[in-house]
Amino acid sequence: QQPVQSPQAVILREGEDAVINCSSSKALYSVHWYRQKHGEAPVFLMILLKGGEQKGHEKISASFNEKKQQSSLYLTASQLSYSGTYFCSGGTSYGKLTFGQGTILTVHP
Amino acid sequence: DTEVTQTPKHLVMGMTNKKSLKCEQHMGHRAMYWYKQKAKKPPELMFVYSYEKLSINESVPSRFSPECPNSSLLNLHLHALQPEDSALYLCASSPGTRSSTDTQYFGPGTRLTVL
Repeated sequence: QQPVQSPQAVILREGEDAVINCSSSKALYSVHWYRQKHGEAPVFLMILLKGGEQKGHEKISASFNEKKQQSSLYLTASQLSYSGTYFCSGGTSYGKLTFGQGTILTVHP
Repeated sequence: DTEVTQTPKHLVMGMTNKKSLKCEQHMGHRAMYWYKQKAKKPPELMFVYSYEKLSINESVPSRFSPECPNSSLLNLHLHALQPEDSALYLCASSPGTRSSTDTQYFGPGTRLTVL
């Protein structure tokens, strides 16, 4: 069963903030976030391994609430380069990642 | 270096052809993966190789045949494919074999079209 992401699509102007949510009905060992631009491979953003863990990289950060099996990706002061499809994926103990359906983020000048 | 390479970049084949996709990584990763991605959909896992042995087959039709000749190389042999098999085929690798702690790094993919 794949994680569920919301919203399905977001349109922003440069400099605006966005939050992408990911929830799972199955227990997750970890949450991985990827960004994929059209015609390219998914690019790893970050992995959250423990409940309550928060990570950040420049203006992109994420949190993982293990109790609720929810994760959120925070993008602040968005840039044009942030445009793409964002996937969360849940990790299991035996090498399988199950991806959410994706959130399309479009940043306009 | 976190590069996974895939060849060819594009492939067009007929339903009676036999072709192969190739994936290479030189990061010393012990797990390698094949994913299939249709347009506007997330990647779907097909196969997982762990220490050069097939550990997961997600009920993939036998017209797809994976092979892992060594720890750096992963092939996907294609035979008698159907038009609905047209998709982006992604290869990935990870340092270990537990997705709960390991990051998977993706190659650029092979865009496959079956006529």
